Amino acid sequence: SQQGEEDPQALSIQEGENATMNCSYKTSINNLQWYRQNSGRGLVHLILIRSNEREKHSGRLRVTLDTSKKSSSLLITASRAADTASYFCATDVGTGFQKLVFGTGTRLLVSP
Amino acid sequence: EPEVTQTPSHQVTQMGQEVILRCVPISNHLYFYWYRQILGQKVEFLVSFYNNEISEKSEIFDDQFSVERPDGSNFTLKIRSTKLEDSAMYFCASSERGAVGHNSPLHFGNGTRLTVT
Repeated sequence: SQQGEEDPQALSIQEGENATMNCSYKTSINNLQWYRQNSGRGLVHLILIRSNEREKHSGRLRVTLDTSKKSSSLLITASRAADTASYFCATDVGTGFQKLVFGTGTRLLVSP
Repeated sequence: EPEVTQTPSHQVTQMGQEVILRCVPISNHLYFYWYRQILGQKVEFLVSFYNNEISEKSEIFDDQFSVERPDGSNFTLKIRSTKLEDSAMYFCASSERGAVGHNSPLHFGNGTRLTVT
């Protein structure tokens, strides 16, 4: 698999439910970041977790990082219709100035 | 909240023509980037720019591409002779810090959709 593979590719849930997205990568990283992209729009930074951190919270977001398994997960709790978007993990592989390697993305659909 | 702005939002050009995509990064940011996303594919790094010079570029960023910061606010991407495969969404981004270990998130613009016919 390539650096930054996410699963599932698509996720459909009801408002109020939790959404979990996973990301796997292959090389060592400096940090891992999650971004959201609404259709036809730019990428919005959600959260950054450093390689020496294991878990991080920001509002309804919870990110975990397991460097031994080279994987991360993004949990969105109590989802809302406005959370409908594509979510990407991006790894900073530390070879240069913020050269991020993006994953394939998870398309999240939250139905009212 | 300050944001990165890109113009135009959509550019249509004929193969072989030159295009310039423009970006205004966030004013106190020092590191600038171009990424692109071909329809249905991953977001790909093109180039990073700091202190008026390219810091790093990908293999995609060949001699047909160039970047410039012509003044204190704009950051441009020029494609000298466009090809059909250059059709993509091009995203500009900036960050406050950029060096390895500084862990500064990127702020992206909404992109310019380039269509080469």
